[in-house]
Amino acid sequence: DAGVIQSPRHEVTEMGQEVTLRCKPISGHDYLFWYRQTMMRGLELLIYFNNNVPIDDSGMPEDRFSAKMPNASFSTLKIQPSEPRDSAVYFCASSFSEPSYYGYTFGSGTRLTVV
Amino acid sequence: AQSVTQLGSHVSVSEGALVLLRCNYSSSVPPYLFWYVQYPNQGLQLLLKYTTGATLVKGINGFEAEFKKSETSFHLTKPSAHMSDAAEYFCAVSARNDYKLSFGAGTTVTVRA
Repeated sequence: DAGVIQSPRHEVTEMGQEVTLRCKPISGHDYLFWYRQTMMRGLELLIYFNNNVPIDDSGMPEDRFSAKMPNASFSTLKIQPSEPRDSAVYFCASSFSEPSYYGYTFGSGTRLTVV
Repeated sequence: AQSVTQLGSHVSVSEGALVLLRCNYSSSVPPYLFWYVQYPNQGLQLLLKYTTGATLVKGINGFEAEFKKSETSFHLTKPSAHMSDAAEYFCAVSARNDYKLSFGAGTTVTVRA
């Protein structure tokens, strides 16, 4: 298995532009998580899905952030419009049916820089 | 709610010396506990986990951790550090009826030759 695949690995964009981050979870995993990592705040859970349905989006910082999971093999995290304070590493992770037991498998992350 | 506290944001050890990373948890229910490692420019990789049973858990790369309920701790150790152990290490906790992992702030390990 190729693991959790995220694209792009790096993204540099100008303030105000739309940014879309992509994630392909491990086949057979039915939970998908989006995390953000910054020096100041560490790892923050943004949103998670179960069987393609968003379950908890309480970590999404603002309405500028949105996430979708149109099918079991693809998810996107969109920021529109982007701001410099959105600069961070964004991780996607997936898990089997009991994430609290199995733990997560993380992707390599997307490093976002908003200038 | 569950949370973890990692004591020490940075640990420096000599090659061949003991690595000890401290993690204390707070949980209102019996927890599941995890250690993850993050190498530069990579995602987090699961080192080991405690769910039930034996309180001494062995993981990859020679690491192990012991669950001590009386001390609410889950410290990570490795008897002999290798240069390749230089990375950031995260402790995480979840409740048995929850789906979310709560991560600590991380501890960066540097290994001196």
